[in-house]
Amino acid sequence: KQEVTQIPAALSVPEGENLVLNCSFTDSAIYNLQWFRQDPGKGLTSLLLIQSSQREQTSGRLNASLDKSSGRSTLYIAASQPGDSATYLCAVSGSARQLTFGSGTQLTVLP
Amino acid sequence: EAGVAQSPRYKIIEKRQSVAFWCNPISGHATLYWYQQILGQGPKLLIQFQNNGVVDDSQLPKDRFSAERLKGVDSTLKIQPAKLEDSAVYLCASSVIQGGSSYEQYFGPGTRLTVT
Repeated sequence: KQEVTQIPAALSVPEGENLVLNCSFTDSAIYNLQWFRQDPGKGLTSLLLIQSSQREQTSGRLNASLDKSSGRSTLYIAASQPGDSATYLCAVSGSARQLTFGSGTQLTVLP
Repeated sequence: EAGVAQSPRYKIIEKRQSVAFWCNPISGHATLYWYQQILGQGPKLLIQFQNNGVVDDSQLPKDRFSAERLKGVDSTLKIQPAKLEDSAVYLCASSVIQGGSSYEQYFGPGTRLTVT
């Protein structure tokens, strides 16, 4: 059974810092990996999707990497802003295309 | 394109009552998912539909939860009778094959259920 772990559970940084969120998964036979953002009381917004054959994806200040063999992914946020404050969720998709989520990292960017 | 729609956004009921949630996926998306997200946890899949057929409902508590997807479009999720531990956000998502390989899931805003 796939298990996804996200470290740290919470992170607080001053504005302008670069930061890395970590995600690990136990079964490397994944189809793709998605990073989501969730604001309080809201649904999930997809940030980046990495296919199993890819190593990384970039969107603006966000860069996600995938090392399938070691069961790890990182989400890099450059020049963090207070508007980046949210919970970031990592999810992996298996052969049935269902997502297994981690518990998330709650990020606070201080002005 | 319009996103995934869900209603109601909030619902408060007493234990042992029944409740129903509605989801309208993105037009053309054949696959629809219902997830349960308990506070402080990541979403957990309850049921997956492909068109109007069930692909996986192994984590759906079938003694109290039921779901259907009529005509392969809208879906409803019902809880009867509700328990305190059902308090959670219920998220609906949909996906479509893009180039044969994406299956990226798009989520609705969710329904926050409080059982008292």
